[in-house]
Amino acid sequence: DVKVTQSSRYLVKRTGEKVFLECVQDMDHENMFWYRQDPGLGLRLIYFSYDVKMKEKGDIPEGYSVSREKKERFSLILESASTNQTSMYLCASSRQGIYSGNTIYFGEGSWLTVV
Amino acid sequence: QKEVEQNSGPLSVPEGAIASLNCTYSDRGSQSFFWYRQYSGKSPELIMFIYSNGDKEDGRFTAQLNKASQYVSLLIRDSQPSDSATYLCAARYQTGANNLFFGTGTRLTVIP
Repeated sequence: DVKVTQSSRYLVKRTGEKVFLECVQDMDHENMFWYRQDPGLGLRLIYFSYDVKMKEKGDIPEGYSVSREKKERFSLILESASTNQTSMYLCASSRQGIYSGNTIYFGEGSWLTVV
Repeated sequence: QKEVEQNSGPLSVPEGAIASLNCTYSDRGSQSFFWYRQYSGKSPELIMFIYSNGDKEDGRFTAQLNKASQYVSLLIRDSQPSDSATYLCAARYQTGANNLFFGTGTRLTVIP
C-alpha cells in the first residue's frame, strides 16, 4: 500500500510565523504535490514536483514555497503565515507515466490554523 | 482550461437505495477517470478508476464512462450510512506531471 505521511496533523500558528509542513512517501514516487482544501472551493494545487530539486507552481502558489531535497520528501513552507492560509493541507504523490490506473495518493492532511 | 464538474449536492438517499453521482469533463483528451471518497475531516481515498467506455464494477460500486458525452458516473448499490461522504471525481490527461484534475465533490448522505 502507498503510504504518504504528513508529520504534523494539527498546528496553530501566529500571523507572521514561518511554518513548515513535511511530507514523506515510501513508494519511490517521482511526483509529489501540495494541495489545500477549503469548503466550497475543492482541492487547489499549490505546488508540485516531478523530480528532486524540481518544482512547478500550481494554481495558488502565492505565499508558499516548497523544497524537495530528497525523492521521498516534499516540504511546504509558509514564509509568513497569514489568517487566510488557515486550511487543510494535503500532500500527495504519484508515479510518472500515463498508464491507465496511474493516480495520486494522499496523506492524512494537516490542519493549519493561523491566529 | 481543463474542467471537471460535479453537482455539489447534498444528495440524500435512503439506506438500501442506489446513489448516483455524476461528473462531466471538458477536455476530450482525458484518458482515465477516478473516484475518491472523502469522509469529513479526512483525506480523499481512491475508490476506483475507469478508462474504457461502459461499466466497471467493484463490489457495491459501479463506475460508468461515456466518452462521447464526456460523462462519468458512480453508482453505489445498497447504500449504507457508512457511505455518507463527499465523492470527488478526477480526470487524468495524457501529458505532464500535473495531469490530474479534480471536481469540487458531491456530498452524499445516506439516511438510515
